[in-house]
Amino acid sequence: KNEVEQSPQNLTAQEGEFITINCSYSVGISALHWLQQHPGGGIVSLFMLSSGKKKHGRLIATINIQEKHSSLHITASHPRDSAVYICAVGNPSGSRLTFGEGTQLTVNP
Amino acid sequence: KAGVTQTPRYLIKTRGQQVTLSCSPISGHRSVSWYQQTPGQGLQFLFEYFSETQRNKGNFPGRFSGRQFSNSRSEMNVSTLELGDSALYLCASSLADPTDTQYFGPGTRLTVL
Repeated sequence: KNEVEQSPQNLTAQEGEFITINCSYSVGISALHWLQQHPGGGIVSLFMLSSGKKKHGRLIATINIQEKHSSLHITASHPRDSAVYICAVGNPSGSRLTFGEGTQLTVNP
Repeated sequence: KAGVTQTPRYLIKTRGQQVTLSCSPISGHRSVSWYQQTPGQGLQFLFEYFSETQRNKGNFPGRFSGRQFSNSRSEMNVSTLELGDSALYLCASSLADPTDTQYFGPGTRLTVL
């Protein structure tokens, strides 16, 4: 079993739909990161959170430390949101990130 | 502020050769981490450098090595290339700690023939 698991692996949505991507982890963490990777490889850090909830534009990230679970929500999805979304956790000593396998999101117009 | 840069962007090598990849972090960032991304294994941690010292290393063979210079620029080297080394190699920089917000470079796509 991977230390970080994401679901779903693939997600197809229609423009305007509300999207949720889930991340569960089995180890202690210092913080959890949500990353976005567009075709071509570039990775952008969306959120880093260790508790509660953060919002940036149409993106919302939540984390439940007790349940070892985080969700990334996209409201009013748009085709430009099509990308791979990756969950990563930092270990408590702060020495490295461990990554989930990613969720491929496709938003159709 | 300029972002993280990586050179070269694309590289084709043959088995048995060696390769050196370069990463220039964001100015002021002292931590540089390297990752390998393949379709089968996803993103995997290679190593992390801080102030010219390797602080952490992932589970990769000794053919993979790196270093960091006094200006925080970093290089990674892969010797005796194997077909399975074909991957996207990403570096990321952060202020001090690899579990802080990381800023990724565009990657170097290495193809081993």
